[in-house]
Amino acid sequence: GNSVTQMEGPVTLSEEAFLTINCTYTATGYPSLFWYVQYPGEGLQLLLKATKADDKGSNKGFEATYRKETTSFHLEKGSVQVSDSAVYFCALNSGGSNYKLTFGKGTLLTVNP
Amino acid sequence: SAVISQKPSRDICQRGTSLTIQCQVDSQVTMMFWYRQQPGQSLTLIATANQGSEATYESGFVIDKFPISRPNLTFSTLTVSNMSPEDSSIYLCSVEWSGGRSDTQYFGPGTRLTVL
Repeated sequence: GNSVTQMEGPVTLSEEAFLTINCTYTATGYPSLFWYVQYPGEGLQLLLKATKADDKGSNKGFEATYRKETTSFHLEKGSVQVSDSAVYFCALNSGGSNYKLTFGKGTLLTVNP
Repeated sequence: SAVISQKPSRDICQRGTSLTIQCQVDSQVTMMFWYRQQPGQSLTLIATANQGSEATYESGFVIDKFPISRPNLTFSTLTVSNMSPEDSSIYLCSVEWSGGRSDTQYFGPGTRLTVL
């Protein structure tokens, strides 16, 4: 079956530091890959996505590249801000007739001023 | 993307009672989903609700406990029945945008349920 493994948190960084949150996956076929973000007290927001190998998703300074050879989709940001403090979820969707999302466990990021 | 709203945004309920959560979308969508997020945990899919058919439940979730309605293409409800403290969670609905031609789900703001 499908699975997503995310870097264990929590992650604590200082403002303007470089961020990497690792995500690897196991799936049949060619899944689409997603990063969602959950700010404190809110629902999930789609941060970025990639649908095929070597695609790079980007949004709000965050980037992730779909690496089929390493089955990875690591999230990066060059300079984090306090407002980036949130829980980040990596997810995949193997498509077909079932659009079920499989989520990682989430990584809590705290950015200090 | 679609704009999704949920009611109530939060509630505190007594054990043994039931709560119905509403999910409203500003556009017609084919596929809607209900998820549970237990405290400090990731999201678990409860069921998929397509208009005009019975909801499809994931392993570990049953219709008697989580009945779902999907009367039209913009609305769905999830009822949490005979609640216990273990049902305290965030319940989120999501929609699959573009009628099956996209595999991206967008989420509502969630309903925070506390059962005493």
